[in-house]
Amino acid sequence: ETGVTQSPTHLIKTRGQQVTLRCSSQSGHNTVSWYQQALGQGPQFIFQYYREEENGRGNFPPRFSGLQFPNYSSELNVNALELDDSALYLCASSLWGPLWNEQFFGPGTRLTVL
Amino acid sequence: AQSVTQLDSHVSVSEGTPVLLRCNYSSSYSPSLFWYVQHPNKGLQLLLKYTSAATLVKGINGFEAEFKKSETSFHLTKPSAHMSDAAEYFCVVSDPRAGNQFYFGTGTSLTVIP
Repeated sequence: ETGVTQSPTHLIKTRGQQVTLRCSSQSGHNTVSWYQQALGQGPQFIFQYYREEENGRGNFPPRFSGLQFPNYSSELNVNALELDDSALYLCASSLWGPLWNEQFFGPGTRLTVL
Repeated sequence: AQSVTQLDSHVSVSEGTPVLLRCNYSSSYSPSLFWYVQHPNKGLQLLLKYTSAATLVKGINGFEAEFKKSETSFHLTKPSAHMSDAAEYFCVVSDPRAGNQFYFGTGTSLTVIP
């Protein structure tokens, strides 16, 4: 069974640039959630994708957008980067269903915005 | 609305002594509750979860937690700390009515003194 993987592991961008982060779900999972973890904080929910549709969104502006592909992998896109976007971005996959509640996390992508 | 409060940002214990990490939650409905651990430069790992079955939940590595509805608490304990337990611990509540979106606490950093 393959776990959740994310790429790249680290990324450095400058203000105003755009970035794309990628996530591969754990085998058999059909739902992906993205979280932002600022330094010293708990992860904050950005959004969730199920069946290639956004299925819930946290308190993040529209410049944070995402995609889910037919193979259930996902991308997080952030436009017009700001210094405060510097954080660890975590992807979590899960299986949608009546017993669904556990999420499996990837190692994260560390984004630094200069 | 769902929320989690981790009452201690830092806990320090001696190796071999008990561990207590405190968590209180707020939820309008019967929540699912989780404890995750995050080691430096590693992803979040599930320690244990409560999903309305037994109120005393046993997890990995000797950890357990007790769901107390009257106190809205879900404290994490371990009888004897090990050096490898040093990490950041997150209490999480999820709402099955909201796509099981995870709400994280701010985390408790556990230090184990040899």
